[in-house]
Amino acid sequence: AQSVTQLDSHVSVSEGTPVLLRCNYSSSYSPSLFWYVQHPNKGLQLLLKYTSAATLVKGINGFEAEFKKSETSFHLTKPSAHMSDAAEYFCVVSRAGTALIFGKGTTLSVSS
Amino acid sequence: EAGVAQSPRYKIIEKRQSVAFWCNPISGHATLYWYQQILGQGPKLLIQFQNNGVVDDSQLPKDRFSAERLKGVDSTLKIQPAKLEDSAVYLCASSLDFYVGGGVPPAQYFGPGTRLTVL
Repeated sequence: AQSVTQLDSHVSVSEGTPVLLRCNYSSSYSPSLFWYVQHPNKGLQLLLKYTSAATLVKGINGFEAEFKKSETSFHLTKPSAHMSDAAEYFCVVSRAGTALIFGKGTTLSVSS
Repeated sequence: EAGVAQSPRYKIIEKRQSVAFWCNPISGHATLYWYQQILGQGPKLLIQFQNNGVVDDSQLPKDRFSAERLKGVDSTLKIQPAKLEDSAVYLCASSLDFYVGGGVPPAQYFGPGTRLTVL
């Protein structure tokens, strides 16, 4: 069965410092992986997606993620955090015939 | 392009009452999804439609939840009767088509959700 595990429920960073949100996946075959962001009182927004075309995936707002099959990981990074990045982030897996399977989420806090 | 619309945005009811949520997907999107997001958790799929047919409702509590997508456009999710544990945000999403594997999965676009509180 497909699943994702987000290793941190809460991450706190200072503005201007790097962001790392960790995600491990479990899949019996090559998965499609996504990161979504959810700002308070707003809908879920797709940040980026991995579909086996390239292991390093660039998304919106300066975020990127690297697919590492040997480590079954798909960590999300950003070189420099902004206050506006404070939100809930979800690592997600999808397979044929089903909808998205979400992790439990990581809350990112950014302090000035 | 208009996004996924949902109404109402907020609803407060007492347990054992009934409630209905409405979703209007992006125009032309064949696939529609309802998710339940309990506080502190990621969204969980309740039901998936392809046009007006049900593709997956394996996680829908069918003794109290029902959903329909008449004419393959708008959809309604109903809870009858509601329980305290149904308090959650109900998200509707749509995608252009159904993902059959291989290539790039169609992007899912989410509505703002309906926050349900059951007292």
